[in-house]
Amino acid sequence: SQQGEEDPQALSIQEGENATMNCSYKTSINNLQWYRQNSGRGLVHLILIRSNEREKHSGRLRVTLDTSKKSSSLLITASRAADTASYFCATDAVGSGNTGKLIFGQGTTLQVKP
Amino acid sequence: DGGITQSPKYLFRKEGQNVTLSCEQNLNHDAMYWYRQDPGQGLRLIYYSQIVNDFQKGDIAEGYSVSREKKESFPLTVTSAQKNPTAFYLCASSPRKDREQYFGPGTRLTVT
Repeated sequence: SQQGEEDPQALSIQEGENATMNCSYKTSINNLQWYRQNSGRGLVHLILIRSNEREKHSGRLRVTLDTSKKSSSLLITASRAADTASYFCATDAVGSGNTGKLIFGQGTTLQVKP
Repeated sequence: DGGITQSPKYLFRKEGQNVTLSCEQNLNHDAMYWYRQDPGQGLRLIYYSQIVNDFQKGDIAEGYSVSREKKESFPLTVTSAQKNPTAFYLCASSPRKDREQYFGPGTRLTVT
């Protein structure tokens, strides 16, 4: 079951511009996580934001969470060509039995042109 | 050098054969997970294990089996009962249920 829906599916920007990706989900969550995947590789964890948090920063990354709208956004500032990858949101849903199970969205493919 | 490893990177099998994908971690993590990723899609959970000698089915467990005899190892067997086994398989581990997951590099399985 896919809980997260990401928007846009694909994004192409110039180096130096900001990139914003959005994630919507359906059920209450314990936390929401963002991951990055380079083509043909494993996923790399970027940020985890808990349900009682509204915003988190990590370097050039900023994540917001609006539990009333069941949505999150990932902002990458001053993008670089090396940021080219697919970005996934994943939710740890309340009621998953405290198992740590994550439900992944289908991802946003970001291309940053040099 | 801590991490999570998967082998092999590419695997080719004939239809009707069972195949086992390896996943090993030296991060001392209790929880381990297997996901399947199809082209242009997100990840879907196959099986997960929170502790040695215990594992649960995920969303798409049919046609797959796992074991967790050691904390470091969580092999996945793709059986001949899996109707569409060709996919990219990712293993992950986590120190705790409410923490981030660490992924291996993946195994791309092609069945013809």
